[in-house]
Amino acid sequence: DAMVIQNPRYQVTQFGKPVTLSCSQTLNHNVMYWYQQKSSQAPKLLFHYYDKDFNNEADTPDNFQSRRPNTSFCFLDIRSPGLGDAAMYLCATSRGLAGALSYEQYFGPGTRLTVT
Amino acid sequence: AQSVTQLDSHVSVSEGTPVLLRCNYSSSYSPSLFWYVQHPNKGLQLLLKYTSAATLVKGINGFEAEFKKSETSFHLTKPSAHMSDAAEYFCVVSRSNDYKLSFGAGTTVTVRA
Repeated sequence: DAMVIQNPRYQVTQFGKPVTLSCSQTLNHNVMYWYQQKSSQAPKLLFHYYDKDFNNEADTPDNFQSRRPNTSFCFLDIRSPGLGDAAMYLCATSRGLAGALSYEQYFGPGTRLTVT
Repeated sequence: AQSVTQLDSHVSVSEGTPVLLRCNYSSSYSPSLFWYVQHPNKGLQLLLKYTSAATLVKGINGFEAEFKKSETSFHLTKPSAHMSDAAEYFCVVSRSNDYKLSFGAGTTVTVRA
C-alpha cells in the first residue's frame, strides 16, 4: 500500500544534541510537510517542500531545518534540541498546493521525540 | 482569514449510541473541509472531506458529515459508536487558494462499554 513512513517512531535525544527525523513516501506526491504536535494540541506546521522548493513558516525557530534529497525522502533536523522541543513530529504529503484534489494531506504515524 | 471552532473539547458516549462532534468554521473563500482522527501515539487519518460537491459526505468507519453553508457548520456524526472510535478528532479547513490547513483544537471521544 502507498503510504507515508516515519522513522524512528520514538527518539530520545539529549539537550543540545542534534537529532534527525526521517520521512519517506511511496505516494509520489509533490509536497511534503513537517508538523510539530505538542501534547493535547493541534498540529502546527513548521515548513513544507513543493518539489525542491523549501517554504518555512514565519514562526518556525531557526533551530529547525529540513532537507529533501529526492521526491521520496524528507528529513527534519533539530540542531540543538531544547526541552521545549519534546513533541510528536508528523510528516505529511499532498499531491499539490492548490485545487480541490490537492488539499488532502496524508499523514505518517509520527515520531515522538523526548529530550532529556 | 480562516478559523475552525470545535464546540466540544470532550465527548463521552456509550457503545452503540450515536456520536455527534460539532464544528463551525469561518472562511473568506470557498473552503474545503476535513475531519481527521488520531488514535493515541498515531498519525492523523482522514475520515472524510468536503470539496464543494455533495453537502452530505460519507467517510470511513460509518462516519458522515453535513456541510451547512448557512450555519457555517460541518458536524461529524456516527449512528452507533464502537469502542475503537475512542480517539482525538480534528476538524480542518483549507482555502481554495492556500495549502495551509487550519486545525480546530480537537475533540476527545471516549466510549463507555
